[in-house]
Amino acid sequence: KAGVTQTPRYLIKTRGQQVTLSCSPISGHRSVSWYQQTPGQGLQFLFEYFSETQRNKGNFPGRFSGRQFSNSRSEMNVSTLELGDSALYLCASRRLAGEETQYFGPGTRLLVL
Amino acid sequence: DQQVKQNSPSLSVQEGRISILNCDYTNSMFDYFLWYKKYPAEGPTFLISISSIKDKNEDGRFTVFLNKSAKHLSLHIVPSQPGDSAVYFCAARGDNQAGTALIFGKGTTLSVSS
Repeated sequence: KAGVTQTPRYLIKTRGQQVTLSCSPISGHRSVSWYQQTPGQGLQFLFEYFSETQRNKGNFPGRFSGRQFSNSRSEMNVSTLELGDSALYLCASRRLAGEETQYFGPGTRLLVL
Repeated sequence: DQQVKQNSPSLSVQEGRISILNCDYTNSMFDYFLWYKKYPAEGPTFLISISSIKDKNEDGRFTVFLNKSAKHLSLHIVPSQPGDSAVYFCAARGDNQAGTALIFGKGTTLSVSS
């Protein structure tokens, strides 16, 4: 079974721009979560989608948004980028929302200049 | 307010010896704990988990121990191998602001020398 895939793997943007990241979950998995990893804060939960609906949301500003499509693929959008948004953005999938184990993709490394 | 803490940023162990990685948590409502391993430029890989109703779970060279009264868990790797060198994250799931999202510690970098 193919794992979680994320595109693009690397991205460079400038302050004020917006960015869209994509995630394809493991086949049969309907829940997709997004996390931000930075050296200072570690891995922090952004939001989770299940059946095209946002189920949970972490403590991030409204500039961070997401959506999920009927095929369970998910996109994450960050508007008005700030330098502090430079991070590794990780997507994780599980069969159902609330299941214990999440499986992570390789991440998208975003650099904001 | 960190709910999951890994107080040792790094750990160095010789090949063949035991590696013990520690994790403390503050929220007694956490019902499931997981360990992930992460190599540079890759996403975290699931290693092993334990339910809050158990005190030990074993999978090959990896064993996780849970002490609920102390709100402490540990990951034992025996014997340690150079390929185990990576960052290890402890995570917890449970009743928290973000529902059933995982709450992660900041990680411990394990270095296994041959």
